[in-house]
Amino acid sequence: AQRVTQPEKLLSVFKGAPVELKCNYSYSGSPELFWYVQYSRQRLQLLLRHISRESIKGFTADLNKGETSFHLKKPFAQEEDSAMYYCAQRMDSSYKLIFGSGTRLLVRP
Amino acid sequence: NAGVMQNPRHLVRRRGQEARLRCSPMKGHSHVYWYRQLPEEGLKFMVYLQKENIIDESGMPKERFSAEFPKEGPSILRIQQVVRGDSAAYFCASSPAVVDYGYTFGSGTRLTVV
Repeated sequence: AQRVTQPEKLLSVFKGAPVELKCNYSYSGSPELFWYVQYSRQRLQLLLRHISRESIKGFTADLNKGETSFHLKKPFAQEEDSAMYYCAQRMDSSYKLIFGSGTRLLVRP
Repeated sequence: NAGVMQNPRHLVRRRGQEARLRCSPMKGHSHVYWYRQLPEEGLKFMVYLQKENIIDESGMPKERFSAEFPKEGPSILRIQQVVRGDSAAYFCASSPAVVDYGYTFGSGTRLTVV
C-alpha cells in the first residue's frame, strides 16, 4: 500500500536556523508530491508541490526518486513558520491524496 | 470568497448519539471530499461526492457512516451511534473538477465522543 512517512512529530529550532522537514513516500511510479501547512486555528493550505518547483515563503522541496524523499527545507526559519506541516502524495491523476502524519514545527525566538 | 466552510468547528457527542458535520464548498466547486484524521495519524480519504452523487466511498467505514451532497445546501457527513473511536478531526475539501490538484480544504470539525 502507498504510504507517506514523516518520521518527526515535532521539530524545534531557533529563529534563523535552517529547517528540514523529512518526508518519504513508498510509491514506485510517478507520484505527485505536495506539502500542506496548517497554521494555528486555520485551514489546511497548499504550500507547494513538486511539479511547480517553486519556492513559497522561502520553502523549497526537491523530489528525490532514488531515495523516495520529498524533504521540505528553509535556510532561515522565522517564528511565523511555526505550524503543522503535512506531506502528501497523489498517484497517477487520482483524486485521492495520501497524507503523512504531520510534523509540528516550532520556531523559538 | 469565503472558502470551504465547515461547521461546527467543535462537536461533542455522547456515545450512541448522532453527529452531523456540514461542509459548504467554495463557490463554483461541485466536487467535495471528506478526510478523517485520527489522533497521531495523517488525514485519510473517506468519500468523494458530486452534487447528488457519491462517486467513491471506499474510505468510509461500512457501518454508521454516511455522506450526502444534495442539489441544494451543504454536504453532510453523518455518523450514527457514535463511539469513542470516532473522535477525530474531519476535514472537507472541494475542487472545481476531478483530477485537480487544487484541493481547497476547510478548517475541519473536531469531534469528541464522551
